[in-house]
Amino acid sequence: EAGVVQSPRYKIIEKKQPVAFWCNPISGHNTLYWYRQNLGQGPELLIRYENEEAVDDSQLPKDRFSAERLKGVDSTLKIQPAELGDSAVYLCASSLDRIGQGAGEQYFGPGTRLTVT
Amino acid sequence: GDSVTQMEGPVTLSEEAFLTINCTYTATGYPSLFWYVQYPGEGLQLLLKATKADDKGSNKGFEATYRKETTSFHLEKGSVQVSDSAVYFCALRRVADSWGKLQFGAGTQVVVTP
Repeated sequence: EAGVVQSPRYKIIEKKQPVAFWCNPISGHNTLYWYRQNLGQGPELLIRYENEEAVDDSQLPKDRFSAERLKGVDSTLKIQPAELGDSAVYLCASSLDRIGQGAGEQYFGPGTRLTVT
Repeated sequence: GDSVTQMEGPVTLSEEAFLTINCTYTATGYPSLFWYVQYPGEGLQLLLKATKADDKGSNKGFEATYRKETTSFHLEKGSVQVSDSAVYFCALRRVADSWGKLQFGAGTQVVVTP
């Protein structure tokens, strides 16, 4: 079974440029997460989708960050414009959550390492 | 708010040595507790978990016991291998909070030398 796929794996851009990350979750997983992991820290949740609906985006900096999950499968996270402080690893995770059984195990992708210069 | 505190790394030890990584948490209610491992160049993988007090999670020779009285979930392994070199993250999840949201510690890098 294929795991969570993310691309690109690495991205270097200049500040004020736009950037986009793509995630393909495990087939059949209804919940998708985007996390940001700063150097030397643990991941922090940016946004969570249940199918195509964003149900928790309280940590997403909405002035420059946007995300979408069309058709409830693949997802794209965008930053426009990027700032120096956005340099981090952006992780995507997915899980299969069943009503009455609690949250399922989250499976993580390898991440996209963003460097803003 | 909720938080997870881990011992700082890197932790460097020789093969076959005993490993302990301390983890303590602050949360209201009864969170579920997890240990994730991140090997170089890979995503996080769930290593073990415990969902209630006194539960012991175990996997691949690693163990951790949910201690409510000390709000701790220390990770242990009796005999480490070079292949255990990775970054280990302790995390909690409040059932009553955003469903499925994980709160991670900062991570502890472990380096095992031959």
